[in-house]
Amino acid sequence: NAGVTQTPKFQVLKTGQSMTLQCAQDMNHNSMYWYRQDPGMGLRLIYYSASEGTTDKGEVPNGYNVSRLNKREFSLRLESAAPSQTSVYFCASSGGSMGGNTGELFFGEGSRLTVL
Amino acid sequence: GQSLEQPSEVTAVEGAIVQINCTYQTSGFYGLSWYQQHDGGAPTFLSYNALDGLEETGRFSSFLSRSDSYGYLLLQELQMKDSASYFCAVIETGRRALTFGSGTRLQVQP
Repeated sequence: NAGVTQTPKFQVLKTGQSMTLQCAQDMNHNSMYWYRQDPGMGLRLIYYSASEGTTDKGEVPNGYNVSRLNKREFSLRLESAAPSQTSVYFCASSGGSMGGNTGELFFGEGSRLTVL
Repeated sequence: GQSLEQPSEVTAVEGAIVQINCTYQTSGFYGLSWYQQHDGGAPTFLSYNALDGLEETGRFSSFLSRSDSYGYLLLQELQMKDSASYFCAVIETGRRALTFGSGTRLQVQP
């Protein structure tokens, strides 16, 4: 059982380049999330999708776009990468709307992005 | 808005008990979660408190007091493998996503 799968695991970009981080889950979860984590810090929410067809901004959405392609897949796009977007990006999923479930997120292994 | 405060670092010895505190300021939330993250790894879920009181899962316990805006994670019989970062997180009412604290780095020494 793969759980949450993110690709790529590592990526180096030049300032101004664009790229898309892919995320897929095989647990039939309704909700999916993108977080970023900078060294020595907690996770900050970029965007989330509470259900297929909906997306909402989190704490740090500027410079990012997302697409909930279907129930399984939730992608994160950087249109014009900046050095400030150097970070580790985590995708996560949960079984229901967060208000009703057990507070448990299932995380992917992370995508380590460096913008030069 | 919300704010979650945790100590940045805690050190303890193998076999000991350690408590990691989390205080929060939020207008309303559904519950408090705890996550563990080893260096280079992904966060993994440890526990969730929807109600006040103590929840026990093996060597780990978590506590919540809504009246005190306070919770903690208690780790007993510490092992070297418990060296990791620990994050508290809340699900705020009106937002269907977890908001994380900045994390506590636990170092377990022999």
